[in-house]
Amino acid sequence: AQKVTQAQTEISVVEKEDVTLDCVYETRDTTYYLFWYKQPPSGELVFLIRRNSFDEQNEISGRYSWNFQKSTSSFNFTITASQVVDSAVYFCALREYSNTGKLIFGQGTTLQVKP
Amino acid sequence: DVKVTQSSRYLVKRTGEKVFLECVQDMDHENMFWYRQDPGLGLRLIYFSYDVKMKEKGDIPEGYSVSREKKERFSLILESASTNQTSMYLCASSLERTGAGGYTFGSGTRLTVV
Repeated sequence: AQKVTQAQTEISVVEKEDVTLDCVYETRDTTYYLFWYKQPPSGELVFLIRRNSFDEQNEISGRYSWNFQKSTSSFNFTITASQVVDSAVYFCALREYSNTGKLIFGQGTTLQVKP
Repeated sequence: DVKVTQSSRYLVKRTGEKVFLECVQDMDHENMFWYRQDPGLGLRLIYFSYDVKMKEKGDIPEGYSVSREKKERFSLILESASTNQTSMYLCASSLERTGAGGYTFGSGTRLTVV
């Protein structure tokens, strides 16, 4: 069965600190997709990144970077030099190619960045 | 931009009432989904639909039903609302049934059942 675990419930950092959000997943499929979403206080989930199971290349987008490691079934998200606007709930999600394409979410990590 | 619109941002209903949560998307997506979000549990899939008049149960369908009479509209129905259905409800749509496509989400409806 597919499962996504975000063990960190809440993280609090001071502005300009780096922070890493952990995500561990379980799947039997060889083809799958991993996602990160951000949910600011407004409530709408905002898509951040997608990775497919055949592409383990890490990605950097501005202050955001993602580390995908199939060997440990992890897809971690790092924010460098955090800012107050990064405060949000972050969700990691998994979509198996064969399982009707359902998107399965982790429990979410609430990040608070203090000024 | 794809837009997913949920009709109500906040809703308060009484126990036993029949509740309708409406969701409309404007990009001709065939696939639509209803999730509920609770602290510590993340988002859990209630129902989804890949076509008009088609529906499939998600992981927690008990106490809910859905209606998809038109492609752009997907309604979640609480037949007899109970206090344990107090939650944030999120609607989403996607272009692809499988594959790399992500979902586009609405802003959510925070439902309180008293």
